Amino acid sequence: AQSVTQPDIHITVSEGASLELRCNYSYGATPYLFWYVQSPGQGLQLLLKYFSGDTLVQGIKGFEAEFKRSQSSFNLRKPSVHWSDAAEYFCAVVPPGSSNTGKLIFGQGTTLQVKP
Amino acid sequence: NAGVMQNPRHLVRRRGQEARLRCSPMKGHSHVYWYRQLPEEGLKFMVYLQKENIIDESGMPKERFSAEFPKEGPSILRIQQVVRGDSAAYFCASSPPRVNEQFFGPGTRLTVL
Repeated sequence: AQSVTQPDIHITVSEGASLELRCNYSYGATPYLFWYVQSPGQGLQLLLKYFSGDTLVQGIKGFEAEFKRSQSSFNLRKPSVHWSDAAEYFCAVVPPGSSNTGKLIFGQGTTLQVKP
Repeated sequence: NAGVMQNPRHLVRRRGQEARLRCSPMKGHSHVYWYRQLPEEGLKFMVYLQKENIIDESGMPKERFSAEFPKEGPSILRIQQVVRGDSAAYFCASSPPRVNEQFFGPGTRLTVL
C-alpha cells in the first residue's frame, strides 16, 4: 500500500548530540516531501521541503534533510540538538499525481525527547 | 500578515450536539485544507476546498461531517450529532494558488463528553 512510514515512535537524545529522524515512503514515483514540527498544543510548522533538485535540503532551526531515491527515504538531521527541539516531528508527502490538490499524507510522527 | 486563524481553540460538546469549527486562511490564500489528529495518531486529510467549491472530500466521513468555504468569511467544518469518537484536534491549513506549501493554524481541540 502507498504510505509514509516513520519507524521510530519515540527518540531520546542528549542536548548537544546529533539527531536523525527517519522517514520512508512507498510510492511508484517520487512524491513531494516535507518535514513538519509540532510543539505540544500547537499547530504544525514547516521545517523544510523537497520537490526536486539538490538532494540535501536546508531548513529552518538548523535542520536539514537528505532525499535518497534508492532508499525511498527523506531523513531529517540536526548536528546538535537543543532542549527547545523537544517536540513531535512529522514527515509528510504530496503523493505523485496529487500535486493539483496538494493534500498531505502524514507519517505517524516521532516524538523527540531531549535530555539535559 | 496574520497566520491561519482557527476558533475556537477548545470546544466541548455533549454527545448529539453540533460542533462548528472555523478557519480563516492567511491573506491571499484561496485554498483551505482540513485535517484531523486523533489521540496518539498522525494527521489525516479530510477535505480540500477553494472558495465556494469542494475540490476533494475523500477523507471526510460519509455522515455527519460537512465543510464549506464561502465567498466571504471563514471556512467552516461542521460536525452534526457528535460522538465520543469525534474527540480530536482539527487543523486547518491554507495555501496560495499553485503553491505546494501549506500553512497550518493552531488547531481546534474538540472534546465530546
